[in-house]
Amino acid sequence: GESVGLHLPTLSVQEGDNSIINCAYSNSASDYFIWYKQESGKGPQFIIDIRSNMDKRQGQRVTVLLNKTVKHLSLQIAATQPGDSAVYFCAENNRGGGNKLTFGTGTQLKVEL
Amino acid sequence: DTAVSQTPKYLVTQMGNDKSIKCEQNLGHDTMYWYKQDSKKFLKIMFSYNNKELIINETVPNRFSPKSPDKAHLNLHINSLELGDSAVYFCASSADTGGNTIYFGEGSWLTVV
Repeated sequence: GESVGLHLPTLSVQEGDNSIINCAYSNSASDYFIWYKQESGKGPQFIIDIRSNMDKRQGQRVTVLLNKTVKHLSLQIAATQPGDSAVYFCAENNRGGGNKLTFGTGTQLKVEL
Repeated sequence: DTAVSQTPKYLVTQMGNDKSIKCEQNLGHDTMYWYKQDSKKFLKIMFSYNNKELIINETVPNRFSPKSPDKAHLNLHINSLELGDSAVYFCASSADTGGNTIYFGEGSWLTVV
């Protein structure tokens, strides 16, 4: 399934399916992008990052895609598991701005058994 | 060992009181931050310090005063608490201000009654 992170929408997927979480960023000068996972009652946890000189980066079960032309970022989670249930945030960073992260509004991912 | 630790985790206090939240990181990082997360899960930076020096101050009311006794600690003191201060406050750190990954603590839930 897919979702756009605008007003904390909810993305529901079946266990084992792939998830795609989308994010639009605002600052064309941003050169570093991070996806964070926040579980209930916990702090944001780093998942994966990508710099502006790349358009794709893969981690373990996660892939981040960056389209600078349309200022769009996506997080793909392969074979989604119940432990993936959380709120996912994209964040943009402009290194010239003192490492200041600007967060998107987040997407709630719910994994159904 | 918790990399970024903050205390207290929960704090309930009356309007008008003064309270502090403490934060410590054992990652050897130079830069520390305070972020605020509101009831809609929106995360916004409040302050950042690099080697005890204030780098970012995001138009936060004067009632909020960060203090960094050394680069491993960044405490947040709030005077004359208001109902609108109720939120989750996250401490974070990064190696420096050069576009590095920011690691978050587990959060301090502040409720002003």
